[in-house]
Amino acid sequence: DTGVSQNPRHKITKRGQNVTFRCDPISEHNRLYWYRQTLGQGPEFLTYFQNEAQLEKSRLLSDRFSAERPKGSFSTLEIQRTEQGDSAMYLCASTSYGSYTFGSGTRLTVV
Amino acid sequence: AQTVTQSQPEMSVQEAETVTLSCTYDTSESDYYLFWYKQPPSRQMILVIRQEAYKQQNATENRFSVNFQKAAKSFSLKISDSQLGDAAMYFCAYRSLAGDNYGQNFVFGPGTRLSVLP
Repeated sequence: DTGVSQNPRHKITKRGQNVTFRCDPISEHNRLYWYRQTLGQGPEFLTYFQNEAQLEKSRLLSDRFSAERPKGSFSTLEIQRTEQGDSAMYLCASTSYGSYTFGSGTRLTVV
Repeated sequence: AQTVTQSQPEMSVQEAETVTLSCTYDTSESDYYLFWYKQPPSRQMILVIRQEAYKQQNATENRFSVNFQKAAKSFSLKISDSQLGDAAMYFCAYRSLAGDNYGQNFVFGPGTRLSVLP
């Protein structure tokens, strides 16, 4: 286990469809974060898990977004009824203390 | 709420030369971390350097060093002997240490795109 893994790397979906992304953190990291990054911008915080508990959600996370981290291992981020404005890079990061390790992200394109 | 500003959307540097990327931030907290992350075209955010606010000594990692001015809330990154592989987006980030969970997220700046000219 050498890093944070995210799948898929790319996802193209039609507006209105549901999509799900997966993040596998570094195994000993108990904290997991989801970020959204739009073109030319820095990442924006979406939500945070400590083990299996979702402790904080950004106002950016509308009702169409849901995230889970069953058993405190991998995490999934689901977007229902996708909209064109959801097109972005979705980054996952994990940490136990201090610096984050980021995954390579999932690029979502809604057409 | 904390904010991070990077006033240079783009910078360029000649290979082997030195470049400084600027970052300022706004916070009322006294204890926090500051980071510089690099994001090459491969997309993965890579930690370049980290500074704890309670440390007066500026952090250094090989060719990368910072100038941390706590009173001025400034945190610039100096890259010495620039290499072609340094070309990337560079993000300055702030992490709060407030609260039981030592803060729950980073605040990132908008980034500076660095080009390295051969």
